[in-house]
Amino acid sequence: GAVVSQHPSRVICKSGTSVKIECRSLDFQATTMFWYRQFPKKSLMLMATSNEGSKATYEQGVEKDKFLINHASLTLSTLTVTSAHPEDSSFYICSARDSEGPHTQYFGPGTRLTVL
Amino acid sequence: AQSVAQPEDQVNVAEGNPLTVKCTYSVSGNPYLFWYVQYPNRGLQFLLKYITGDNLVKGSYGFEAEFNKSQTSFHLKKPSALVSDSALYFCAVRDTGYSTLTFGKGTMLLVSP
Repeated sequence: GAVVSQHPSRVICKSGTSVKIECRSLDFQATTMFWYRQFPKKSLMLMATSNEGSKATYEQGVEKDKFLINHASLTLSTLTVTSAHPEDSSFYICSARDSEGPHTQYFGPGTRLTVL
Repeated sequence: AQSVAQPEDQVNVAEGNPLTVKCTYSVSGNPYLFWYVQYPNRGLQFLLKYITGDNLVKGSYGFEAEFNKSQTSFHLKKPSALVSDSALYFCAVRDTGYSTLTFGKGTMLLVSP
């Protein structure tokens, strides 16, 4: 199946700093990428949908200025958590949809963010 | 609107026995249905999907799921469970008029030796 990578897999940062997470589709082109947040033993919460070359669409309650999303190419999307706080600590997972077969979303391995 | 229900928080089964993880959905159009599996501290792995065609869908690792339109269900099954199947399983749906997936809350499958 299609492969999606995320980097870093784990990051620890101080409160007030910014953290960037990269998501890449390795063997397919993805016109649409998704960013999710997952709390322990909970389902995935969709944060935003990003389309290549256009602004991301954020879900209700997600702060656009805090969670900056850029989808500059068909294989790369980035999520930047700005001015991180301890409550931003979570497991962030990206997902990409194959533009040639629009039905299946493939997921990255996730990034564990810990804000001290 | 689209929604998914996974009624069981946890399913316990002995190795070698058949397993079923339940999923029901609600959509206004035609559903695209998916099953994913998540191992601890990992992302989701795609198992199988139903788009159209045969109601019985076969996927990875010996898993299969049956689409039942009248019962709006898409239960995940495997004839003989393995201890390594122990993980968190998510059912997801996308209505034909939507661009995003809606996930169920997840069902933890525990297979005992």
